[in-house]
Amino acid sequence: DIQLTQSPSTLPASLGERVTISCRASQSISNSLNWYQQKPDGTVKRLIYSTSTLESGVPSRFSGSGSGTDYSLSISSLESEDFAMYYCLQYATYPWTFGGGTKLELK
Amino acid sequence: QVQLQQSGAELAKPGSSVKISCKASGYTFTSYYISWIKQTTGQGLEYIGYINTGSGGTNYNEKFKGKATLTVDKSSSTAFMQLSSLTPDDSAVYYCARRPYGFDYWGQGVMVTVSS
Repeated sequence: DIQLTQSPSTLPASLGERVTISCRASQSISNSLNWYQQKPDGTVKRLIYSTSTLESGVPSRFSGSGSGTDYSLSISSLESEDFAMYYCLQYATYPWTFGGGTKLELK
Repeated sequence: QVQLQQSGAELAKPGSSVKISCKASGYTFTSYYISWIKQTTGQGLEYIGYINTGSGGTNYNEKFKGKATLTVDKSSSTAFMQLSSLTPDDSAVYYCARRPYGFDYWGQGVMVTVSS
């Protein structure tokens, strides 16, 4: 199975700050990488698909980049609703696998 | 709007089975596969498998073969997952999610608790 190593596991940040979350795959996943946000009530929302395509309705402060084995999610200016858990998902090879998650918390 | 509405929380005894549902609305059910995902504090998010909602064909993560059985009822636009021979390790939140490009829409999750 492809392992996805997400870092950091916890990210303290302030409102208005720019942050970046990393996701490293154990082998190339050819840009088949999504980013998800999970709120404390369990609601899961796709933010980015295919590495860098912004989901419809998702604010433009979210962006994704990467290639090969290294991918990242950036949030340009944190707003209060952005404090949540974030996960990456690779769908290049079965079984699809997730990163371990990053908890974005208010500093 | 696309919605995946899952059934309610389950409390089950070790050795028993549970069947949870995922009712789709807001789109043509048979045009998109439905996948299932397990979430625990210890193991994080794990992909269980998917079902082709048109043909009923399935694909399972090897880890969940024999544990999960995926079915659909096209007449009610509902996907089901049965979990059998339950152990405490099966206690988790289970999500259904629609493909493509990984998963786009997710259900709200169902908590399954296995306890005697």
